[in-house]
Amino acid sequence: GQSLEQPSEVTAVEGAIVQINCTYQTSGFYGLSWYQQHDGGAPTFLSYNALDGLEETGRFSSFLSRSDSYGYLLLQELQMKDSASYFCDAGNNRKLIWGLGTSLAVNP
Amino acid sequence: GAVVSQHPSWVICKSGTSVKIECRSLDFQATTMFWYRQFPKQSLMLMATSNEGSKATYEQGVEKDKFLINHASLTLSTLTVTSAHPEDSSFYICSAGQANTEAFFGQGTRLTVV
Repeated sequence: GQSLEQPSEVTAVEGAIVQINCTYQTSGFYGLSWYQQHDGGAPTFLSYNALDGLEETGRFSSFLSRSDSYGYLLLQELQMKDSASYFCDAGNNRKLIWGLGTSLAVNP
Repeated sequence: GAVVSQHPSWVICKSGTSVKIECRSLDFQATTMFWYRQFPKQSLMLMATSNEGSKATYEQGVEKDKFLINHASLTLSTLTVTSAHPEDSSFYICSAGQANTEAFFGQGTRLTVV
């Protein structure tokens, strides 16, 4: 079968660092993507890891370990606007396989 | 990145009527588009894969006669919710992609059936 696991909720304060973990089990794995979705909005792409290691894009970084079927999204210098749901995706052939999402609340 | 436009962004319809949602890729051609629905506080659930020039592939449990998908061109896919009922009220989102790295989403359509 195919499955992804993420924490359901995370709370942090402005300026802090948060790591959202994702473990996956899927066939035909291409890579791990991360999306951000604010309430009432469509998901927006954050990052993609095809190879093991860390990818950095501004305040956001994403990590993948294929051997462990594990990845994480690291958010640094948290801002209030980062409060949203974050989904990892281990899909293939453009068919997204989503986790249930992690709701991140950033408090002052 | 590429732009996917979805219309309408919200719609209210009466029970028993049909609603059509459009998904357009504005600056690229999409041979494949995906339709999702999302209930509040839940993840996106893939409903069907829309293939240009051929029949859509529906996920298990999704009624193909209720959710009609047409992908007549490389830039347009439509989802028609037929004989809508209140339980069909949801957030419907389409996506398309150019590579195996990133999906581009439409803005989503919030459907309310009264």
